[in-house]
Amino acid sequence: DTGVSQDPRHKITKRGQNVTFRCDPISEHNRLYWYRQTLGQGPEFLTYFQNEAQLEKSRLLSDRFSAERPKGSFSTLEIQRTEQGDSAMYLCASSPSPGNRAEAFFGQGTRLTVV
Amino acid sequence: AQSVTQPDIHITVSEGASLELRCNYSYGATPYLFWYVQSPGQGLQLLLKYFSGDTLVQGIKGFEAEFKRSQSSFNLRKPSVHWSDAAEYFCAVGGGQAGTALIFGKGTTLSVSS
Repeated sequence: DTGVSQDPRHKITKRGQNVTFRCDPISEHNRLYWYRQTLGQGPEFLTYFQNEAQLEKSRLLSDRFSAERPKGSFSTLEIQRTEQGDSAMYLCASSPSPGNRAEAFFGQGTRLTVV
Repeated sequence: AQSVTQPDIHITVSEGASLELRCNYSYGATPYLFWYVQSPGQGLQLLLKYFSGDTLVQGIKGFEAEFKRSQSSFNLRKPSVHWSDAAEYFCAVGGGQAGTALIFGKGTTLSVSS
């Protein structure tokens, strides 16, 4: 068990480009969450998967943001037409089911800088 | 509205001194409460959690927290701070419904002076 893995750790992109981040949760963790953390703020929830089903996506910041978890294992978060305001740390977390008492384990995050 | 307030943005404590980080929450249902710690360049690590039962919970690294329903608070404490405790601390609240995501406070940065 190597923990939640996120790739890349850092990404610098030009405004208007598309970026995709990957998250590999702890194996057998059914739940996967994406959060965004900006400087001086706590993590902000974006979306959540139970296996391959995306059960909550209303918090995605705009229609430029999308996430997938096609086989219920790894997940990707894509941002299209990036803007400078998208610069942030993007965190992934996973937890086992059932119940909501299970601890969410966080990855080290992907830091995005849009120039 | 559901929210978490951490009133102290930055706290400096002398090594060996006691620590208390404040957390107040607003949550419509029975809250599940958490404290996470984040070191620079690292992800969040869970220190402790409260779901029900004994209102004083023990966590890792010598931390404890007390849930006070009447004050809507869940303050984090440590009797003797070590230099390695310098980090950012986040309080979070979630619900019992499956899939409820955590709502985080803005965090408190802890500095430890020698």
